[in-house]
Amino acid sequence: EPEVTQTPSHQVTQMGQEVILRCVPISNHLYFYWYRQILGQKVEFLVSFYNNEISEKSEIFDDQFSVERPDGSNFTLKIRSTKLEDSAMYFCAATADQETQYFGPGTRLLVL
Amino acid sequence: GIQVEQSPPDLILQEGANSTLRCNFSDSVNNLQWFHQNPWGQLINLFYIPSGTKQNGRLSATTVATERYSLLYISSSQTTDSGVYFCALGTGNQFYFGTGTSLTVIP
Repeated sequence: EPEVTQTPSHQVTQMGQEVILRCVPISNHLYFYWYRQILGQKVEFLVSFYNNEISEKSEIFDDQFSVERPDGSNFTLKIRSTKLEDSAMYFCAATADQETQYFGPGTRLLVL
Repeated sequence: GIQVEQSPPDLILQEGANSTLRCNFSDSVNNLQWFHQNPWGQLINLFYIPSGTKQNGRLSATTVATERYSLLYISSSQTTDSGVYFCALGTGNQFYFGTGTSLTVIP
């Protein structure tokens, strides 16, 4: 059964550095999402993406964040200048029909 | 944004027991899903259920959209059911997760 995959599984970075988190959605899925989960807290919506455009974004998704689908398969989240409070698990999700979302395993980001 | 409240926040069950988890929400939505986050952190979709009732094995879910709540039933619980259960609500293409119910099933 196809799965959503994410790389890397873990990333450690210095404050102020740029990071790019990658997601490979299931091939026939058209709607893509990024979420984050700070340790021990609930899952927070960051952004939704459809037809090569951002559909919706939350207040968390400020100018430090960007998303793109550079080659028609990968879906990336870039954090331009990381802060300590960006440390979290970042999940990518995808759906074919805006109904059931399938989540990747996540990337654990630690900002030092 | 939509307010999503889940209850109870924590639940400990003996293996074989049944349970009901509740999700209340503050506004009308076009999407409601239940997820299980296992102890390894993976989020598994259980149900897409903006209204009505669905069943999948030992799990079932009911959403009463007009009264703004959804229920997840777990019957004959097993230790592998342990983890955190989240409801997630969507309006348009933006989603709001509840704070979750942490379930521990003891043998």
